[in-house]
Amino acid sequence: EAGVAQSPRYKIIEKRQSVAFWCNPISGHATLYWYQQILGQGPKLLIQFQNNGVVDDSQLPKDRFSAERLKGVDSTLKIQPAKLEDSAVYLCASSLGTAPTNEKLFFGSGTQLSVL
Amino acid sequence: QKEVEQNSGPLSVPEGAIASLNCTYSDRVSQSFFWYRQYSGKSPELIMSIYSNGDKEDGRFTAQLNKASQYVSLLIRDSQPSDSATYLCAVFNTDKLIFGTGTRLQVFP
Repeated sequence: EAGVAQSPRYKIIEKRQSVAFWCNPISGHATLYWYQQILGQGPKLLIQFQNNGVVDDSQLPKDRFSAERLKGVDSTLKIQPAKLEDSAVYLCASSLGTAPTNEKLFFGSGTQLSVL
Repeated sequence: QKEVEQNSGPLSVPEGAIASLNCTYSDRVSQSFFWYRQYSGKSPELIMSIYSNGDKEDGRFTAQLNKASQYVSLLIRDSQPSDSATYLCAVFNTDKLIFGTGTRLQVFP
């Protein structure tokens, strides 16, 4: 079974530039998550999709971050413009069903973003 | 108060010992609890889940849940150097999974 695919693996940009990350979840997984993990901290949920609808985006800085999940499959997360504090690993995860209370999340390998 | 709290460590234990990792959470209505292991530079992977009070064992791992005390723990028996990683406690809260900051475990030979 193929895992969650993410790209790019690493990205270095200057502040005020824009950047986009891509995620392809495990086939058939209804729920997709984007987490931000700053060094030394636990993952923080940015946005959660169920199929192609948004379940939770309460911690997404909407003035600069946007995300979409077209056709309920793969997803992109964009930052425009980037700030120094956006330096982090951006993790995409997916789960099979629509009721994640007892669901296993499968994580991708992440995109490490450095903003200079 | 943080929603999910863990001691950041590092917790250092000798090979073969029992490692005890602890986590407290703030929302009394939380129903589902998870332990993820994250090796340096890698993504988290689920190692244990627990939903009811008491103990749940899986190989060398035992998860313990006490909802009255809002406390969940992970015991690793016969610790191995390969267990050296950061262990993330995660609690399902309303409709989202909240992670703690993680405890770094070091198992030395």
